[in-house]
Amino acid sequence: SQQGEEDPQALSIQEGENATMNCSYKTSINNLQWYRQNSGRGLVHLILIRSNEREKHSGRLRVTLDTSKKSSSLLITASRAADTASYFCGSNTGKLIFGQGTTLQVKP
Amino acid sequence: GAVVSQHPSWVICKSGTSVKIECRSLDFQATTMFWYRQFPKQSLMLMATSNEGSKATYEQGVEKDKFLINHASLTLSTLTVTSAHPEDSSFYICSARHTGTGVYNEQFFGPGTRLTVL
Repeated sequence: SQQGEEDPQALSIQEGENATMNCSYKTSINNLQWYRQNSGRGLVHLILIRSNEREKHSGRLRVTLDTSKKSSSLLITASRAADTASYFCGSNTGKLIFGQGTTLQVKP
Repeated sequence: GAVVSQHPSWVICKSGTSVKIECRSLDFQATTMFWYRQFPKQSLMLMATSNEGSKATYEQGVEKDKFLINHASLTLSTLTVTSAHPEDSSFYICSARHTGTGVYNEQFFGPGTRLTVL
Protein backbone atom coordinates (compact mmCIF):
# COMPACT_ATOMS: atom_id res chain seq x y z
CA SER A 1 0.00 0.00 0.00
CA GLN A 2 1.07 3.61 -0.37
CA GLN A 3 1.01 4.56 3.19
CA GLY A 4 3.38 4.56 6.07
CA GLU A 5 2.43 4.09 9.66
CA GLU A 6 1.67 6.69 12.27
CA ASP A 7 1.35 6.22 15.96
CA PRO A 8 -0.48 6.66 18.07
CA GLN A 9 -3.64 6.58 16.00
CA ALA A 10 -5.37 8.62 18.67
CA LEU A 11 -4.04 10.78 21.46
CA SER A 12 -5.95 12.59 24.18
CA ILE A 13 -4.18 15.03 26.48
CA GLN A 14 -4.90 17.97 28.75
CA GLU A 15 -4.26 21.53 27.68
CA GLY A 16 -0.72 22.55 28.49
CA GLU A 17 0.74 19.07 28.05
CA ASN A 18 3.03 18.11 25.20
CA ALA A 19 1.87 15.87 22.36
CA THR A 20 4.22 13.61 20.45
CA MET A 21 3.27 11.69 17.34
CA ASN A 22 5.41 9.53 15.14
CA CYS A 23 5.36 8.42 11.56
CA SER A 24 7.28 5.96 9.46
CA TYR A 25 7.57 5.91 5.70
CA LYS A 26 8.54 3.37 3.14
CA THR A 27 10.84 4.83 0.50
CA SER A 28 13.75 7.25 0.29
CA ILE A 29 12.55 10.82 0.42
CA ASN A 30 13.64 14.31 -0.50
CA ASN A 31 11.71 15.80 2.40
CA LEU A 32 8.93 15.03 4.82
CA GLN A 33 6.06 17.37 5.54
CA TRP A 34 3.61 17.54 8.41
CA TYR A 35 0.05 18.72 7.92
CA ARG A 36 -2.91 19.36 10.11
CA GLN A 37 -6.52 18.69 9.20
CA ASN A 38 -9.54 19.87 11.10
CA SER A 39 -12.58 17.66 10.76
CA GLY A 40 -14.00 17.75 7.25
CA ARG A 41 -11.58 20.39 6.05
CA GLY A 42 -8.53 20.61 3.84
CA LEU A 43 -4.93 20.25 4.95
CA VAL A 44 -2.86 22.99 6.48
CA HIS A 45 0.90 22.81 5.99
CA LEU A 46 2.81 22.90 9.27
CA ILE A 47 6.46 22.22 8.61
CA LEU A 48 8.83 20.73 6.04
CA ILE A 49 12.04 18.94 7.00
CA ARG A 50 14.58 18.00 4.34
CA SER A 51 16.30 14.65 4.20
CA ASN A 52 19.61 16.21 5.24
CA GLU A 53 18.10 17.81 8.32
CA ARG A 54 17.64 16.07 11.65
CA GLU A 55 15.55 18.55 13.56
CA LYS A 56 13.49 21.61 12.81
CA HIS A 57 11.48 24.03 14.95
CA SER A 58 8.56 26.29 14.19
CA GLY A 59 6.91 28.01 17.11
CA ARG A 60 5.55 25.30 19.40
CA LEU A 61 6.33 22.59 16.84
CA ARG A 62 9.45 20.46 16.81
CA VAL A 63 10.03 17.89 14.10
CA THR A 64 12.77 15.29 13.97
CA LEU A 65 13.76 13.08 11.09
CA ASP A 66 15.74 9.84 11.16
CA THR A 67 16.33 8.73 7.59
CA SER A 68 18.13 5.57 8.68
CA LYS A 69 14.95 4.42 10.40
CA LYS A 70 12.66 6.09 7.89
CA SER A 71 10.81 7.79 10.70
CA SER A 72 9.85 11.24 11.91
CA SER A 73 8.24 12.70 14.98
CA LEU A 74 6.18 15.81 15.61
CA LEU A 75 6.17 17.36 19.05
CA ILE A 76 3.62 20.01 19.96
CA THR A 77 4.57 21.75 23.18
CA ALA A 78 2.19 23.47 25.59
CA SER A 79 -0.83 22.20 23.69
CA ARG A 80 -4.02 24.19 23.37
CA ALA A 81 -7.61 23.13 22.79
CA ALA A 82 -7.30 24.68 19.32
CA ASP A 83 -4.63 22.09 18.47
CA THR A 84 -7.36 19.45 18.39
CA ALA A 85 -7.17 18.01 14.87
CA SER A 86 -5.75 15.15 12.85
CA TYR A 87 -2.08 15.30 11.98
CA PHE A 88 -0.54 13.65 8.94
CA CYS A 89 2.99 13.22 7.76
CA GLY A 90 3.62 13.23 4.02
CA SER A 91 6.76 11.66 2.62
CA ASN A 92 7.85 13.51 -0.49
CA THR A 93 9.41 11.67 -3.40
CA GLY A 94 8.06 14.19 -5.90
CA LYS A 95 4.56 13.31 -4.81
CA LEU A 96 3.27 13.28 -1.26
CA ILE A 97 2.34 9.96 0.29
CA PHE A 98 0.60 10.30 3.61
CA GLY A 99 0.77 8.24 6.74
CA GLN A 100 -2.30 6.97 8.54
CA GLY A 101 -2.54 10.05 10.73
CA THR A 102 -2.89 10.76 14.43
CA THR A 103 -6.07 12.21 15.85
CA LEU A 104 -5.22 14.57 18.67
CA GLN A 105 -7.73 15.74 21.24
CA VAL A 106 -6.66 18.46 23.63
CA LYS A 107 -9.02 18.85 26.54
CA PRO A 108 -9.41 22.31 28.02
CA GLY B 1 -0.44 33.68 -0.76
CA ALA B 2 -0.95 30.28 -2.29
CA VAL B 3 -4.65 29.65 -2.32
CA VAL B 4 -6.28 26.63 -3.87
CA SER B 5 -10.03 26.43 -4.25
CA GLN B 6 -12.34 23.57 -5.05
CA HIS B 7 -15.82 23.60 -6.47
CA PRO B 8 -18.26 22.41 -5.44
CA SER B 9 -17.57 22.05 -1.73
CA TRP B 10 -20.16 19.30 -1.55
CA VAL B 11 -22.33 17.44 -4.02
CA ILE B 12 -25.04 14.80 -3.80
CA CYS B 13 -25.85 12.80 -6.88
CA LYS B 14 -27.76 9.74 -7.97
CA SER B 15 -26.03 6.48 -8.73
CA GLY B 16 -24.97 6.26 -12.36
CA THR B 17 -24.49 9.96 -12.93
CA SER B 18 -21.18 11.74 -13.48
CA VAL B 19 -19.82 14.47 -11.27
CA LYS B 20 -17.15 17.04 -12.10
CA ILE B 21 -14.98 18.60 -9.40
CA GLU B 22 -12.82 21.64 -10.13
CA CYS B 23 -9.52 22.53 -8.51
CA ARG B 24 -8.13 26.02 -9.07
CA SER B 25 -4.94 27.72 -8.01
CA LEU B 26 -6.13 31.26 -7.40
CA ASP B 27 -2.94 33.29 -7.10
CA PHE B 28 -0.27 31.14 -8.69
CA GLN B 29 0.30 28.91 -11.67
CA ALA B 30 0.44 25.18 -11.13
CA THR B 31 1.85 22.90 -13.78
CA THR B 32 1.24 19.96 -11.48
CA MET B 33 -1.78 19.23 -9.35
CA PHE B 34 -2.64 16.16 -7.34
CA TRP B 35 -5.94 14.46 -6.53
CA TYR B 36 -6.50 12.62 -3.28
CA ARG B 37 -9.42 10.69 -1.86
CA GLN B 38 -10.15 10.38 1.83
CA PHE B 39 -12.66 8.02 3.40
CA PRO B 40 -14.06 8.77 6.87
CA LYS B 41 -11.49 8.49 9.64
CA GLN B 42 -8.81 7.48 7.16
CA SER B 43 -5.82 9.14 5.60
CA LEU B 44 -5.50 10.72 2.19
CA MET B 45 -4.84 8.33 -0.66
CA LEU B 46 -3.15 9.74 -3.74
CA MET B 47 -5.26 8.97 -6.79
CA ALA B 48 -3.39 10.69 -9.58
CA THR B 49 -0.93 13.37 -10.60
CA SER B 50 -2.36 15.90 -13.02
CA ASN B 51 0.03 17.61 -15.44
CA GLU B 52 -0.95 20.63 -17.51
CA GLY B 53 -1.13 19.77 -21.16
CA SER B 54 -0.49 16.07 -20.78
CA LYS B 55 -2.15 12.93 -19.51
CA ALA B 56 -2.55 12.33 -15.83
CA THR B 57 -0.52 9.69 -14.07
CA TYR B 58 -2.69 7.37 -12.02
CA GLU B 59 -1.70 5.44 -8.93
CA GLN B 60 -1.95 1.70 -8.90
CA GLY B 61 -5.50 0.50 -8.48
CA VAL B 62 -7.16 3.75 -9.59
CA GLU B 63 -9.31 3.34 -12.70
CA LYS B 64 -8.41 6.05 -15.17
CA ASP B 65 -11.62 5.56 -17.16
CA LYS B 66 -13.69 6.09 -14.05
CA PHE B 67 -11.80 9.08 -12.69
CA LEU B 68 -11.17 11.38 -15.63
CA ILE B 69 -8.67 14.15 -15.08
CA ASN B 70 -8.25 17.18 -17.31
CA HIS B 71 -5.59 19.80 -16.63
CA ALA B 72 -6.25 22.21 -19.45
CA SER B 73 -4.69 25.34 -17.99
CA LEU B 74 -2.05 26.32 -15.47
CA THR B 75 -4.68 27.18 -12.90
CA LEU B 76 -7.36 24.55 -13.37
CA SER B 77 -7.59 20.79 -13.04
CA THR B 78 -10.86 18.88 -13.09
CA LEU B 79 -11.73 15.44 -11.79
CA THR B 80 -14.81 13.77 -13.23
CA VAL B 81 -16.19 10.75 -11.43
CA THR B 82 -18.02 8.87 -14.15
CA SER B 83 -20.99 6.62 -13.48
CA ALA B 84 -20.70 7.27 -9.78
CA HIS B 85 -21.77 4.61 -7.31
CA PRO B 86 -22.26 4.74 -3.54
CA GLU B 87 -18.78 3.33 -2.95
CA ASP B 88 -17.37 6.44 -4.66
CA SER B 89 -18.78 8.57 -1.86
CA SER B 90 -15.77 10.20 -0.29
CA PHE B 91 -13.92 13.44 0.40
CA TYR B 92 -11.88 14.46 -2.64
CA ILE B 93 -9.00 16.86 -2.06
CA CYS B 94 -6.70 18.44 -4.60
CA SER B 95 -3.33 20.06 -4.14
CA ALA B 96 -1.15 22.21 -6.36
CA ARG B 97 2.52 22.99 -6.67
CA HIS B 98 3.92 26.27 -7.95
CA THR B 99 5.12 26.15 -11.55
CA GLY B 100 8.87 26.45 -11.68
CA THR B 101 9.50 25.20 -8.19
CA GLY B 102 11.25 21.95 -7.60
CA VAL B 103 9.25 18.74 -7.59
CA TYR B 104 9.96 18.38 -3.89
CA ASN B 105 8.54 21.70 -2.87
CA GLU B 106 5.49 22.37 -0.78
CA GLN B 107 2.05 21.55 -2.08
CA PHE B 108 -0.96 23.69 -1.28
CA PHE B 109 -4.24 21.96 -0.60
CA GLY B 110 -7.77 22.83 -1.51
CA PRO B 111 -10.60 22.67 1.05
CA GLY B 112 -11.97 19.43 -0.35
CA THR B 113 -15.20 18.30 -2.00
CA ARG B 114 -17.53 15.92 -0.25
CA LEU B 115 -19.25 13.61 -2.71
CA THR B 116 -22.27 11.59 -1.66
CA VAL B 117 -23.71 9.14 -4.15
CA LEU B 118 -27.22 7.91 -3.38
